[in-house]
Amino acid sequence: GQQVMQIPQYQHVQEGEDFTTYCNSSTTLSNIQWYKQRPGGHPVFLIQLVKSGEVKKQKRLTFQFGEAKKNSSLHITATQTTDVGTYFCAGKGGGLTGGGNKLTFGTGTQLKVEL
Amino acid sequence: KAGVTQTPRYLIKTRGQQVTLSCSPISGHRSVSWYQQTPGQGLQFLFEYFSETQRNKGNFPGRFSGRQFSNSRSEMNVSTLELGDSALYLCASSLAGYFQETQYFGPGTRLLVL
Repeated sequence: GQQVMQIPQYQHVQEGEDFTTYCNSSTTLSNIQWYKQRPGGHPVFLIQLVKSGEVKKQKRLTFQFGEAKKNSSLHITATQTTDVGTYFCAGKGGGLTGGGNKLTFGTGTQLKVEL
Repeated sequence: KAGVTQTPRYLIKTRGQQVTLSCSPISGHRSVSWYQQTPGQGLQFLFEYFSETQRNKGNFPGRFSGRQFSNSRSEMNVSTLELGDSALYLCASSLAGYFQETQYFGPGTRLLVL
């Protein structure tokens, strides 16, 4: 079945440093979504990428979808303590019908930010 | 608009018992999905319901089941609980589960099996 791996598993940075997490799927994805989960919280949707090579920005966050639609990345510029949490990518399988919601979540990257 | 709600928020059960968890989706949302989150296995898809029918299913044993009511509210049931079923159970809803829809997660039910 489809597998989605994320690296690194953990990242510890000083406030102001940049952070990147990478997501790789074993199969082509129809789209990829990114979520953030704060400690003790639930996943909160950040963004969705659909097109091959797509790049989207949300303030200090930059999301990319690979040309082959099998990998993605999230880059945070100048991290802040509010960025603390676990970042998950989640992919839907290939095909355009998108028949239903069956997300395969990545393993997640836990980000800690030190002052 | 109210978000996805899940009840109960916390639950303690013993091995062999069964449990039923409830999820109320965002008003107007007809697709409800369930996920299990554990430290070891991460977030895993259990099943999705749409219009009272199971539309997608993950790789969980038959002890895990669910249903959806005509008002889109959903329940999941776990029978013959095992220690490994201790997890955060998350419910997510979306309008209809189409290609580019966003799923909204509820706060989850934390289940501890002793």
